Amino acid sequence: RKEVEQDPGPFNVPEGATVAFNCTYSNSASQSFFWYRQDCRKEPKLLMSVYSSGNEDGRFTAQLNRASQYISLLIRDSKLSDSATYLCVVSLYNTDKLIFGTGTRLQVFP
Amino acid sequence: EAGVVQSPRYKIIEKKQPVAFWCNPISGHNTLYWYLQNLGQGPELLIRYENEEAVDDSQLPKDRFSAERLKGVDSTLKIQPAELGDSAVYLCASSWSPGETQYFGPGTRLLVL
Repeated sequence: RKEVEQDPGPFNVPEGATVAFNCTYSNSASQSFFWYRQDCRKEPKLLMSVYSSGNEDGRFTAQLNRASQYISLLIRDSKLSDSATYLCVVSLYNTDKLIFGTGTRLQVFP
Repeated sequence: EAGVVQSPRYKIIEKKQPVAFWCNPISGHNTLYWYLQNLGQGPELLIRYENEEAVDDSQLPKDRFSAERLKGVDSTLKIQPAELGDSAVYLCASSWSPGETQYFGPGTRLLVL
């Protein structure tokens, strides 16, 4: 079983739609959680950290459920520029080693 | 502020040949990481440096891969000899210190024929 699992997609949604991605992690010692965005043939970039209390950044909302060991990302009012691969990332307690999921590909169409 | 710089951006070699990748981290960043990303997968850590010390190289295939960061700034990752399965993107990342946000370079795309 992979340490971080994501649905690879692709998710094809129209502009303005709301889309949600989920991710599960297997190691209960995971301490820090992130969503990274990776555009085609580009490097990953930090989108947002994920906290137990949930956090929001504009149209993006991230949630963490430690009991069920899953992380979610909600994108509201999708834009064409949101088309990318979204990587779910965790790190274990007391390390800074990032463990990436395979990524979920999002394609927003006009 | 300049980001993480990597070169070359693309490399095509024949199997059994050696290849080297270079990374210059963001100025002031003490921690440097090398990742491997296969097509359709997320990046996987190969080695992590704190200054010039390799503090985690457990995922580095030491029979053919080597890395160095002699002066604690830029770093080189080498493969010798390359195999077909080494075709991938090799990403370098850096951070101020362990646990801080990691910033990735554009990567080197390697194709082994």
